[in-house]
Amino acid sequence: AQKITQTQPGMFVQEKEAVTLDCTYDTSDQSYGLFWYKQPSSGEMIFLIYQGSYDEQNATEGRYSLNFQKARKSANLVISASQLGDSAMYFCAMRGLIQGAQKLVFGQGTRLTINP
Amino acid sequence: DTGVSQNPRHKITKRGQNVTFRCDPISEHNRLYWYRQTLGQGPEFLTYFQNEAQLEKSRLLSDRFSAERPKGSFSTLEIQRTEQGDSAMYLCASSPGRGGSYGGLNEQFFGPGTRLTVL
Repeated sequence: AQKITQTQPGMFVQEKEAVTLDCTYDTSDQSYGLFWYKQPSSGEMIFLIYQGSYDEQNATEGRYSLNFQKARKSANLVISASQLGDSAMYFCAMRGLIQGAQKLVFGQGTRLTINP
Repeated sequence: DTGVSQNPRHKITKRGQNVTFRCDPISEHNRLYWYRQTLGQGPEFLTYFQNEAQLEKSRLLSDRFSAERPKGSFSTLEIQRTEQGDSAMYLCASSPGRGGSYGGLNEQFFGPGTRLTVL
């Protein structure tokens, strides 16, 4: 079974500061993928960044980077130079990479609020 | 708009009624997923299709729930005899088959969801 834990129900950050959203995971799979999604108040889940368990380098996508520590089973999202539009719910998710494994398992999310 | 679309966006129904939701995936995607998201929680997997074949169903998908994808394009999710506990956001996602941005790992693109309220 796979499990995602996000321990920060809410985060408040000043605009332009960097913010780290925590994510730890548990799985018995040898190969897996880790995802971060953003969900604004409109409800749509927006894909942000992906990290494969076999990737040696941390993933980066613009202002988003993923701090992947495999031994600690953590996959924290770092947002640099935060903007007011970053205010939203953020979900960490994972899925196995074996043949046929398709479902994403999500954490409970972190509500990020950027203050001007 | 070439994204995933869902209809209706909102549905209010009385307990015991049947409801049906529709999802239109991104046109070239052959995989389609349904998730349910209750207030304050992350989405939970319900079922997924590859083309018209339903390949996996969650235990959350009780006998009152049925999903179809008859021609491998759009999908419907029906809930019979709705209960107040069915109130949630129902999210649909699609992904390409082989290939995709991550070497075949196929990130899922989500629609805006259908919010169901059962009175």
